[in-house]
Amino acid sequence: EVQLLESGGGLEQPGGSLRLSCVASGFSFSNYAMTWVRQAPGKGLEWVSTISGSGNYTYYKDSVRGRFTISRDNSKSMLFLQMSSLRAEDTAIYYCAKCRWGIRSDFHFWGQGSRVTVSS
Amino acid sequence: DIQMTQSPSSLSASVGDRVTITCQASQDINNYLTWYQQTPGKAPKVLIYDASNLETGVPSRFSGSGSGTYFTFTISSLQPEDVATYYCQQYETLPRTFGPGTKVDIK
Repeated sequence: EVQLLESGGGLEQPGGSLRLSCVASGFSFSNYAMTWVRQAPGKGLEWVSTISGSGNYTYYKDSVRGRFTISRDNSKSMLFLQMSSLRAEDTAIYYCAKCRWGIRSDFHFWGQGSRVTVSS
Repeated sequence: DIQMTQSPSSLSASVGDRVTITCQASQDINNYLTWYQQTPGKAPKVLIYDASNLETGVPSRFSGSGSGTYFTFTISSLQPEDVATYYCQQYETLPRTFGPGTKVDIK
């Protein structure tokens, strides 16, 4: 059974940093691209970043490029999102998602999310 | 960026009704489209991928069709457990983009 469990969210001040983690199980982690999607309170879904299975290729939404870094540790089946220079508009639930195959595929399975609040 | 629009933004229908949601892309996305269902407080769940492929384990009352820029999602017989928000999403190009969602409830 595929499982994705996010952690690391919380309350942070504007300009601060947080690191989200996602531990995966139930599939061969290194064979799949992984993605972060966020959802601001009461709003729709917004793609944030995707990383290839090898970790060699990364892609970002324009508004987070240069502030967020996606990475993975395939030996531990873990996905990360390092977030810095946080802004109020980064407040959201952040979901870790497994891509169905490679980069160009849907987000096949989602974790339950980690809440990030950016506020002074 | 590819803009995704959905119609309607919300609907209310009776149990057993046929429900159709449309999704339009601002440019050709071939069939690189997914439909997700999100119930309150839960993570999204894939119902349809590649525009028309039913996800394993998803009831057959759900279906999707379309290609290019125009897509439809249908619930053939609405059930109480289908109360949710439905999103389309394209994965033809980066950035990946979602439609604004369609909230479905029971009349």
